[in-house]
Amino acid sequence: DIVMTQSPDSLAVSLGERATINCRSSQSLLSSSNNKNYLAWYQQKPGLPPKLLIYWASTRESGVPDRFSGSGSGTDFTLTISSLQAEDVAVYYCQQYYTAPPHTFGQGTKLEIK
Amino acid sequence: QVTLKESGPALVKPTQTLTLTCTLSGFSLLTSGVRVSWIRQPPGKALEWLARIDWDGDEFYNTSLKTRVTISKDTSKNQVVLRMTNVDPVDTGTYYCAFGSAGGWSNFWGQGTLVTVSS
Repeated sequence: DIVMTQSPDSLAVSLGERATINCRSSQSLLSSSNNKNYLAWYQQKPGLPPKLLIYWASTRESGVPDRFSGSGSGTDFTLTISSLQAEDVAVYYCQQYYTAPPHTFGQGTKLEIK
Repeated sequence: QVTLKESGPALVKPTQTLTLTCTLSGFSLLTSGVRVSWIRQPPGKALEWLARIDWDGDEFYNTSLKTRVTISKDTSKNQVVLRMTNVDPVDTGTYYCAFGSAGGWSNFWGQGTLVTVSS
């Protein structure tokens, strides 16, 4: 199975500042057939189910604010929040969906306000 | 509007079989491309992908749980069922069902159901 490792485990950022969360996969998630990276990002707030933010590593889901962006390719990926808002406090997960399941998640990164 | 709702017992004894139902609305399990997954989350811990069933009946399982977990669907009721045998306290957590129709991501999730395994 593909192992997903996020860093850091927790992060404190001041309001209005940039937050960066990293995700590394144990094998490449880049398909040579379509040049797409099979990676998604989710946001989970306390007591709620996860919410899809980004798929194909960099495509924002409909309705997600444009301060959220995804980047990276192959085995290294980044979720960036350009200007942290109070409502962005949450745990963030990456998930790979390369080839057939199981589609594993990272261990999560807890984002707090400094 | 796509909605999913999980249901099942809140408390299960060790060694018993856990059966959870995901009732879907706003889409049909027979629609090409539909995929429904089960994901769980122990209290305070990370998400764990468990299983998925596709519109064409294909089933996929978590490698370490595949001997204990079965996923199935009832298209007449538009439901997906997860069965987990021989449960243990480590299986305690919130169980979510989630829907996707393209790629492998899930863009609609149920609210989750909390299952406690305890004698």
